Amino acid sequence: ETAVFQTPNYHVTQVGNEVSFNCKQTLGHDTMYWYKQDSKKLLKIMFSYNNKQLIVNETVPRRFSPQSSDKAHLNLRIKSVEPEDSAVYLCASSPGTGGSQNTLYFGAGTRLSVL
Amino acid sequence: GDSVTQTEGLVTLTKGLPVMLNCTYQTTYSPFLFWYVQHLNEAPKLLLKSSTDNKRTEHQGFYATLHKSSSSFHLQKSSVQLSDSALYFCALSDRWGSSGNKLIFGIGTLLSVKP
Repeated sequence: ETAVFQTPNYHVTQVGNEVSFNCKQTLGHDTMYWYKQDSKKLLKIMFSYNNKQLIVNETVPRRFSPQSSDKAHLNLRIKSVEPEDSAVYLCASSPGTGGSQNTLYFGAGTRLSVL
Repeated sequence: GDSVTQTEGLVTLTKGLPVMLNCTYQTTYSPFLFWYVQHLNEAPKLLLKSSTDNKRTEHQGFYATLHKSSSSFHLQKSSVQLSDSALYFCALSDRWGSSGNKLIFGIGTLLSVKP
């Protein structure tokens, strides 16, 4: 059953606009992530939060900013989108960090199309 | 740095035949390996995982054995079904969380099963 919820499912916007994606997990996990899956289906981590603290911040453009209000929520804001931002953004959670604690549970994803 | 290599981009098989999807990794830490499966327009889901050397782990007819001597974690199934058609990702984590809290994914192998 679904336990990581993402909204919206799809979003179409124009270059230069700001977009926000929401993610909530009901698994009681401590750690949440944002992954980007591009047109070639490659999975690349963008950010990771553990108990509201940023612990992984990969090299992503500064127009991307994560926001965590509590350990069950992790949002992603893109300020001034670019065409290369078109992708599926996957939110995930894991029980914790290290080894089996890193087992990821993914949401259904938000598909972003930038025109 | 840590890396995961999946050598086949596409594997096409006839229903009922066996399959092996290759996965090798590089890490200086104690490895924890995962296989995720992503069906079309769905989120990736955990298929199986292991950190125990030379011990076979199984789930839903798929199995894999972590071999630290060869840095491999190949995914196998004795008889593929049409429903096995999907994208399969091998992923690497650090068993003790020493290297940072993130899974490193391979590029994925698309398995296409024909009638």
